[in-house]
Amino acid sequence: EIVMTQSPATLSVSPGERATLSCRASQSVSSNLAWYQQKPGQAPRLLIYGASTRANGIPVRFSGSGSGTELTLTISSLQSEDFAIYYCQQYKNWPWTFGPGTKVEIK
Amino acid sequence: EVQLLESGGALVQPGGSLRLSCAASGFTFSNYAMNWIRQAPGMGLEWVSTFSGRGRSTYYADSVKGRFTVSGDNSKNTLYLQMNNLRAEDTAVYYCAKVLAGIAAVDYWGQGTLVTVSS
Repeated sequence: EIVMTQSPATLSVSPGERATLSCRASQSVSSNLAWYQQKPGQAPRLLIYGASTRANGIPVRFSGSGSGTELTLTISSLQSEDFAIYYCQQYKNWPWTFGPGTKVEIK
Repeated sequence: EVQLLESGGALVQPGGSLRLSCAASGFTFSNYAMNWIRQAPGMGLEWVSTFSGRGRSTYYADSVKGRFTVSGDNSKNTLYLQMNNLRAEDTAVYYCAKVLAGIAAVDYWGQGTLVTVSS
């Protein structure tokens, strides 16, 4: 099983600032990686797939980069609606696995 | 518009059984891999099972293998999860999830149904 880790666990950011979230895989996932955003009481929402392709309707301030074992989600200028938990998920090998999440909170 | 509507969540005793259903609409059900993903209270996401592709292969997480069975009814556009021998650690919100064509990234989620295993 590919183990996914995310850092930091919590990221405190002021509105308008840039946020950089990291996701690391225990073995290469190539570009078979997705990012999701989850707000309290809601189902997750797909942001990025293929490591860098934005899903339908996702604002351009969200971008994904990297491949292999080190991948990154960047939010260029945080808006109030972006404070949430972010998960990465690999789909290189079954079982598909998620990281433990990064909580982005208001500084 | 794609919609996924789960039902069947309940309070059940350890060792009991439950069947979850997911009614799908707005897309051709038989063309997509359909999945169950769960989230324990206050915890992260765990992929539970996949009902995949035209051949309808099935996949299970090790944590549920031998206890859970996933199936689908193309005539009813419905996905099922039969859960037997339930344990306290199965307590979670269970999401029905559709993935993108050919890519196991979830583009649509249901609202979730809560399964609580407790005596």
